[in-house]
Amino acid sequence: AQTVTQSQPEMSVQEAETVTLSCTYDTSENNYYLFWYKQPPSRQMILVIRQEAYKQQNATENRFSVNFQKAAKSFSLKISDSQLGDTAMYFCALSQGAQKLVFGQGTRLTINP
Amino acid sequence: DVKVTQSSRYLVKRTGEKVFLECVQDMDHENMFWYRQDPGLGLRLIYFSYDVKMKEKGDIPEGYSVSREKKERFSLILESASTNQTSMYLCASSFGGPGTEAFFGQGTRLTVV
Repeated sequence: AQTVTQSQPEMSVQEAETVTLSCTYDTSENNYYLFWYKQPPSRQMILVIRQEAYKQQNATENRFSVNFQKAAKSFSLKISDSQLGDTAMYFCALSQGAQKLVFGQGTRLTINP
Repeated sequence: DVKVTQSSRYLVKRTGEKVFLECVQDMDHENMFWYRQDPGLGLRLIYFSYDVKMKEKGDIPEGYSVSREKKERFSLILESASTNQTSMYLCASSFGGPGTEAFFGQGTRLTVV
């Protein structure tokens, strides 16, 4: 069975700081995809970044980057120069084959002015 | 823009009622999903569908059923609502194929009294 674990229920940083959200996962497959989704107070879940497991290079999207450690089954999200609009719930998710997503428990991130 | 629309944002129902949650997507996606979101538990998959009239159980299907008579519409049915089904329900859709982005509706917050 696939599992995803986010061990930080809440985090809080000052605007412009860098913050890293942790995620570990477990799967027996070699081919899979990892995602970070963001759910702001509006509740609209949106994709932040995606990583293909067979690619060694870490994915980046503007201020968002990941540290993908396949052997350790770790997939952390780094947000640089954090902004007030980054305040949201962040979910780590895993999919393989059937495209259904397995989600972690979520981390509530607050960016303070 | 891809749009996934859930019929209600807030819903209050009585114990024992039959409840229908509707979801419509406008991007001709093959896959559709129903998740339940609870604090500390993240999102858990209730049912998903890869095609019209096709459905598969997710991780927590008990007490729920689904219907997909048309490609764009995926309905979640609570056969006899109970208070432990009070939750946020999220619908999502995606194209077939591995690693594709899932697009989410804005969620229905259901309260069963």
